[in-house]
Amino acid sequence: NAGVMQNPRHLVRRRGQEARLRCSPMKGHSHVYWYRQLPEEGLKFMVYLQKENIIDESGMPKERFSAEFPKEGPSILRIQQVVRGDSAAYFCASSPGTAYEQFFGPGTRLTVL
Amino acid sequence: DAKTTQPNSMESNEEEPVHLPCNHSTISGTDYIHWYRQLPSQGPEYVIHGLTSNVNNRMASLAIAEDRKSSTLILHRATLRDAAVYYCILRAHPMDSNYQLIWGAGTKLIIKP
Repeated sequence: NAGVMQNPRHLVRRRGQEARLRCSPMKGHSHVYWYRQLPEEGLKFMVYLQKENIIDESGMPKERFSAEFPKEGPSILRIQQVVRGDSAAYFCASSPGTAYEQFFGPGTRLTVL
Repeated sequence: DAKTTQPNSMESNEEEPVHLPCNHSTISGTDYIHWYRQLPSQGPEYVIHGLTSNVNNRMASLAIAEDRKSSTLILHRATLRDAAVYYCILRAHPMDSNYQLIWGAGTKLIIKP
């Protein structure tokens, strides 16, 4: 039973480019969460999605960031016109429901040059 | 803002028990106490959670104070593989709109061989 998968594991972008981060939840999980982590800090919640719906995006910047979890395929976190401050590790987690523990992927480390 | 307080770091010897404290004086009656840990360069992993009673699983034990204002994660026999950052998190009841995981900086556990 494969765990949560994220790709790419490392992503380098120049300022102004777009970054697309993918997350495939564990089999049977329909809830996906995205978090951002800066060095030496804890994770910061960004967005919570269920299949085809954004449930809570209160932690996501209003501009340049968007997330989706289509009926088929992985969840995608999209960052447009990246800036150096977007450099961080982005983690995706999945769960079978809100009340359950979250299972995390290995993360995508985004570096903006 | 995180609602828990943990020491920044702790050291322990290999094969000895480790007690990781967490203060959560503003805990509400329906908040669950969750513990996750994050090994170096990996995504977080769930350790244990509880509400009022002490809990045991294959990874650890969770001791919850009678007034619920503090708790202690107990690793009965620490190994080098337990070296990680341990996060104590309060999580509201799933029916509460504030069900997100709010992460603090955690405790960095150093295991000495």
